[in-house]
Amino acid sequence: QSALTQPASVSGSPGQSITISCTGTSSDVGGYNYVSWYQQHPGKAPKLMIYDVSNRPSGVSNRFSGSKSGNTASLTISGLQAEDEADYYCSSYTSSSTEVFGTGTKVTVL
Amino acid sequence: QVQLQESGPGLVKPSQTLSLTCTVSGGSISSGSYYWSWIRQPAGKGLEWIGRIYTSGSTNYNPSLKSRVTISVDTSKNQFSLKLSSVTAADTAVYYCARGVNPGLIDYWGQGTLVTVSS
Repeated sequence: QSALTQPASVSGSPGQSITISCTGTSSDVGGYNYVSWYQQHPGKAPKLMIYDVSNRPSGVSNRFSGSKSGNTASLTISGLQAEDEADYYCSSYTSSSTEVFGTGTKVTVL
Repeated sequence: QVQLQESGPGLVKPSQTLSLTCTVSGGSISSGSYYWSWIRQPAGKGLEWIGRIYTSGSTNYNPSLKSRVTISVDTSKNQFSLKLSSVTAADTAVYYCARGVNPGLIDYWGQGTLVTVSS
């Protein structure tokens, strides 16, 4: 299975909004509403930020939102803050009953 | 609060078998409709899903690793394990164990353990 495609890096100034894309196929992202997003700070384990395309777990800021159109899912961070600087990974369930992660995006707060 | 902790050798020789165990605390590994996963991350690179096991014993593996991977569960010890055979330097990575709730939804992660493959 091939990794989902994400931009290598995205940057924005504090207070701005940024969007990270996650492109797959009809066998993963496009075929199921089982897309999740994870935030990973250096040296730390990933943290679930969004699940089932657009749902936020308890405790996650409402500045984080998710959506999907066709084979591409997106994570939007609004009101960008310094603490949002991290790596972000999407993941999707697949038609083979497996899971696949995205290539990862480094978010930089300017 | 569920906690997961990986344990096992930090150094494995090429061609040997990598063996890791994940101990689950704060809840029974058998309770609820959860599955238990292994994910790895080479230094400076992205996450790679290795596989999952349900407490029924049913497993799913990454096709690229399937021939070398075995995941098992020991409900009496509240643990699940990973075995990866015929390792090479390319298998050097931080290995995470994790709990899944729904397809594609991993809600709890271990802290990760670095495994280096070297002679």
